[in-house]
Amino acid sequence: EVQLVESGGGLAQRGGSLRLFCAASGFNFGRYAMSWVRQAPGKGLEWVSRVSGSGANTYYADAVRGRFTISRDNSKNTLYLQMSGLGAEDTAFYYCAKSPNDPSGYHLYYLDSWGQGTLVTVSA
Amino acid sequence: SYVLTQPPSVSVAPGETARITCGINNSGSKSVHWYQQKPGQAPVLVIYYDTDRPSGTPERFSGSNSGNTATLTITRVEAGDEADYYCQVWGSSSDHPYVFGTGTKVTVL
Repeated sequence: EVQLVESGGGLAQRGGSLRLFCAASGFNFGRYAMSWVRQAPGKGLEWVSRVSGSGANTYYADAVRGRFTISRDNSKNTLYLQMSGLGAEDTAFYYCAKSPNDPSGYHLYYLDSWGQGTLVTVSA
Repeated sequence: SYVLTQPPSVSVAPGETARITCGINNSGSKSVHWYQQKPGQAPVLVIYYDTDRPSGTPERFSGSNSGNTATLTITRVEAGDEADYYCQVWGSSSDHPYVFGTGTKVTVL
């Protein structure tokens, strides 16, 4: 069974930094692209960042590019999100999510498993 | 870029059928995926590639896509179907891979 468990959320000061973690189990972690998706309280879903299975390719939403860094350690089955320059607009639940592959191993563009999320609150 | 428009809310009586639409700007065939998010929980994939159901999604859930509008249909609605539902498409670029709809709150009366 696929399990994704986020941690690292909490209260951060405006302009501060925070590192999120996502521990994965139940699948061959290094073969799948992973993403972070956030949801501000009472709002909709917003994709934040994606990393390829190997970690070689990373992508960011315009709202976080230059401030957030996604990475992964396939030997530890762990996904990371390093956040810096935090602002009030970054207050949200952050979910890690897995993308499936097609039969040839190509990363597909939907999210078939999600963690329970970790809350990041940025104070003034 | 793509913008996906959903009705903010849909209300339905138990046993009836709920239909949730997802309007897609930028005409062109896009595959649509649907997620269910119950209060206080993470999203769960319920439909992918317009019509396919992951194992675990009840057959009461079905999807369709006419090109500019995708629809998630829930037949024989149950109280447990009360949730927010989001559509999603591939944004056609690596910089915008996941575009989500605005979300629809389904209320079971």
